Amino acid sequence: EAEVAQSPRYKITEKSQAVAFWCDPISGHATLYWYRQILGQGPELLVQFQDESVVDDSQLPKDRFSAERLKGVDSTLKIQPAELGDSAMYLCASSLPDRGYNEQFFGPGTRLTVL
Amino acid sequence: QQPVQSPQAVILREGEDAVINCSSSKALYSVHWYRQKHGEAPVFLMILLKGGEQKGHEKISASFNEKKQQSSLYLTASQLSYSGTYFCGTIGAARQLTFGSGTQLTVLP
Repeated sequence: EAEVAQSPRYKITEKSQAVAFWCDPISGHATLYWYRQILGQGPELLVQFQDESVVDDSQLPKDRFSAERLKGVDSTLKIQPAELGDSAMYLCASSLPDRGYNEQFFGPGTRLTVL
Repeated sequence: QQPVQSPQAVILREGEDAVINCSSSKALYSVHWYRQKHGEAPVFLMILLKGGEQKGHEKISASFNEKKQQSSLYLTASQLSYSGTYFCGTIGAARQLTFGSGTQLTVLP
């Protein structure tokens, strides 16, 4: 069964350092999402791609976060510099072209701890 | 704007039923339901669309009241495997999936 792949699964870093997360969506899924989930809360959308284009990044803290999907397949989310408040689970999801009625398939996530 | 889920937590015995509610203050295009087990990724359960169409799970049912902007998830004859946190996600005019804060369901033997 096709799955969304993410790496690393866990990342511990010190504040002010740079971190990067990688996501490989399910083959054929044009839409890719990055979410942040703080413990005890629901996922919060950071950025949404349609192929290689950013569709929505209104919730992305652009002073320190960046995301790219250069060839419209895999994607990288970067934080530079990391802050203590960035500690969270970072989830990647993918779906068929977004019409509001396609389920999103989530990867296992990257658990980030900032010390 | 984040949808509101209730209850925040529920504990029940195997075989009992549960209802989880989700409400929004804005007009909705669709409601999505996901279940997340501790330390794992959210797993899709069901989508309810404006107009009554549904996609989803065989053993879990849900309703969507478009006028009231509310949805309910019905878990009948619960099994131990139903334990987890249930999230509703709503899609409005902005076409962005916004998740609620979750309902933690614990099924005891």
